This record gives sequence, structure tokens and C-alpha cells, in this order.
Amino acid sequence: DVKVTQSSRYLVKRTGEKVFLECVQDMDHENMFWYRQDPGLGLRLIYFSYDVKMKEKGDIPEGYSVSREKKERFSLILESASTNQTSMYLCASSLGTSGDNEQFFGPGTRLTVL
Amino acid sequence: SQKIEQNSEALNIQEGKTATLTCNYTNYSPAYLQWYRQDPGRGPVFLLLIRENEKEKRKERLKVTFDTTLKQSLFHITASQPADSATYLCALEAGGFKTIFGAGTRLFVKA
Repeated sequence: DVKVTQSSRYLVKRTGEKVFLECVQDMDHENMFWYRQDPGLGLRLIYFSYDVKMKEKGDIPEGYSVSREKKERFSLILESASTNQTSMYLCASSLGTSGDNEQFFGPGTRLTVL
Repeated sequence: SQKIEQNSEALNIQEGKTATLTCNYTNYSPAYLQWYRQDPGRGPVFLLLIRENEKEKRKERLKVTFDTTLKQSLFHITASQPADSATYLCALEAGGFKTIFGAGTRLFVKA
């Protein structure tokens, strides 16, 4: 079974802190994604990566950056955390170069910014 | 702008009945559509994918239809069980590797 793990289930940070969220997948998937999920808004794509060192902006990239130095690891960085970045963050991965492959999600990180 | 709508109100049904969830979309012509299940505090889990040239797809007690003229997908769970209680997300291909997710519909199945 594909396993996607995220570094923390719960995280509390202060405004202005730099925050790192780590995601690791163990099935050699090419594509990796970062979403945030807020009530009533569904999952919104922040960034995605279709190869090592490649990244593409999603729908809401402002205030975030990403890093993919190794195929199995995709990191989300909040440069200067703000209270409106309090949310559930979900990482996902998918196989292959076409876009119609199912996505495998991690358990999520619930981030609170005070 | 592209938009996906799922019924934001929870769906309550009795065990054994068929649950039907709706996903409507506008300003899209997706090549495929996916349905996911999400339990509280957990990440979504893939259930089914249906392509634009498929009218219907089945997997055990699940059935999905895809009407590109109506721009609608219906997701059915037959012989529903309390264990089917969860939030169900509709997701559409949005070009390249991007997938757009709906906000989900919460299903409660009463014993």
C-alpha cells in the first residue's frame, strides 16, 4: 500500500514564525501536492510538483513556498506565518505523468497560528 | 470561473437505503471525475474515477454516473451501512496535473 506521511498531526506556531511542513511518500510517485482544507471551501491547491526540483503554483500560493530536493519528499514552507494560515494541510502524491491518476493523501497537519 | 458544487447540507438516510450525492460543475469540460471519501481528522481516500466517455461506473455497492451535457455526476451507495457515514468529495480534472475538489457532502447513515 502507498503510504504518505506528514511530519506532524498538530502544530501550533506564532505569527511571524517560519514553518516547515514535511511530506514523504514511499511509492516512487512522480507527482506531489500540497492542499489546505477549510470548512466550506474544500481542498485548495497550494503548490504541486511533477518531478524533483520542479514546482508549479496552484490556486493559492501566496505566503507559501515549496521544496522538492528528493523524489519522495515535498516540503511546504510558510515564510512568515499569519493567523489566516490556520488550517488543515494535506499532502498527496500520485503516480505517472498523466493527470488522471488517483491521489494518495497523508493524514494531514492541523496548523494553528496564534 | 471554474466552479464545483456539492450539497453543503448533510444527507441523513436510514440503513439499507440508497444514498445519492450530487456534484455539479460549471465552466469546465473535465476529461475525468473522481470521488473520494474523507473521515473526520483524516485525509481523503480515493474511491472511483470515471472518464468523460463513460456514462456509469460501478464498484461493489458504489455507482457513479457522469453526464457531460448536464455537467453533473451522481454518486450512489446502495444498501447503505452506518460505516458509510463520512464526507464524500467530488474532484474534477482541471488541466495538466491539477485536480479541483468540491467542498464535500457529509453523509450520515442511521442504524
